[in-house]
Amino acid sequence: GAVVSQHPSRVICKSGTSVKIECRSLDFQATTMFWYRQFPKQSLMLMATSNEGSKATYEQGVEKDKFLINHASLTLSTLTVTSAHPEDSSFYICSASRRGGPNGEQFFGPGTRLTVL
Amino acid sequence: GQNIDQPTEMTATEGAIVQINCTYQTSGFNGLFWYQQHAGEAPTFLSYNVLDGLEEKGRFSSFLSRSKGYSYLLLKELQMKDSASYLCAVAVRGAGNKLTFGGGTRVLVKP
Repeated sequence: GAVVSQHPSRVICKSGTSVKIECRSLDFQATTMFWYRQFPKQSLMLMATSNEGSKATYEQGVEKDKFLINHASLTLSTLTVTSAHPEDSSFYICSASRRGGPNGEQFFGPGTRLTVL
Repeated sequence: GQNIDQPTEMTATEGAIVQINCTYQTSGFNGLFWYQQHAGEAPTFLSYNVLDGLEEKGRFSSFLSRSKGYSYLLLKELQMKDSASYLCAVAVRGAGNKLTFGGGTRVLVKP
């Protein structure tokens, strides 16, 4: 149990276009979903936290108008990278937590490799 | 905020033991997680400590001392497939399920 999927796994786009990444909890209801970005040989950097039906909380330095997060249901959150530029190329990982688990328990999706040309 | 430190890289020999240390400074500590991450993949859960002491799970063990703000992950009988990054992450009270990650330790297992 506690499987999280992400789609797409890889995406290549042209500079200036927008890219949407989906994160789904397949067998549980995700009370909270998290979006991370990871550059090569670096650790995970939290971008934002989203709860179903409410606005996402963004970490300091993350532009909310550039990285749009929608958490429409208890099983789906989307991250849209708007007007993507080459510096947005990165590995984007989502995770989800469920009610009743240990504080901090997160289940990670397989990640999405974004390359902006 | 939180400050989490772990070594950047470690090298060990197949069959040996490696200990990865993690120190943290935080208020409202509410649990520490260790994750394994292979290159290009998502992190996978290894262990969780919220009370002082040692948690053993097969070849992997994790230790926590809350008074010292210190944890370690012990990998025994190293295998080549254990070459990966190991991430220490801390949860704090009042932050929901938010985790703060250390920089990760890349472990290279050599034959």
